[in-house]
Amino acid sequence: AQSVAQPEDQVNVAEGNPLTVKCTYSVSGNPYLFWYVQYPNRGLQFLLKYITGDNLVKGSYGFEAEFNKSQTSFHLKKPSALVSDSALYFCAVRDRGQAGTALIFGKGTTLSVSS
Amino acid sequence: DVKVTQSSRYLVKRTGEKVFLECVQDMDHENMFWYRQDPGLGLRLIYFSYDVKMKEKGDIPEGYSVSREKKERFSLILESASTNQTSMYLCASNRWGATDTQYFGPGTRLTVL
Repeated sequence: AQSVAQPEDQVNVAEGNPLTVKCTYSVSGNPYLFWYVQYPNRGLQFLLKYITGDNLVKGSYGFEAEFNKSQTSFHLKKPSALVSDSALYFCAVRDRGQAGTALIFGKGTTLSVSS
Repeated sequence: DVKVTQSSRYLVKRTGEKVFLECVQDMDHENMFWYRQDPGLGLRLIYFSYDVKMKEKGDIPEGYSVSREKKERFSLILESASTNQTSMYLCASNRWGATDTQYFGPGTRLTVL
């Protein structure tokens, strides 16, 4: 069965510092991996995805994520956090052989950036 | 830009009422999904549809049904609303392929009294 784990319920960083939001996954085959962000009382917005190729994926708002197959991880990073990055972040996975199926989501990590 | 719209942002209903949540997407996507989001539980899949009139149960289908009569529209139905169905409901859509991004609507916050 596919699953996604986000081991931290909350991450706190100071503005200007680098941030990391962790994600590990489990799939039977090879994964497609996604990150989404959710602001209060809003739907999820797509940030970036890993399909194939370069393990470092760049996305919206200066975010990037690194795919690590040996550690089955896909951590979200940003070199310099902004207060406006404070939000709820979700990691998601889909098995490559599962076209037409829904993404499997982690439980989310709340990022809080202080000024 | 992909646009997924949901009929209501906020909805208050009484126990036992029949509730309809509507979702419309404008990008000719084959797949549509309904999730519910609860604090600490993340997103849980209720139902999804990969074609008109086709549906598949997700992880928590009990107490819900769905309808997809047209490609662009996917409705979630609570036949007899209960207080434990108070939640945020999110609709999403994507093309058929496994690489395709799911796009989400703004959500409907449903309160059942």
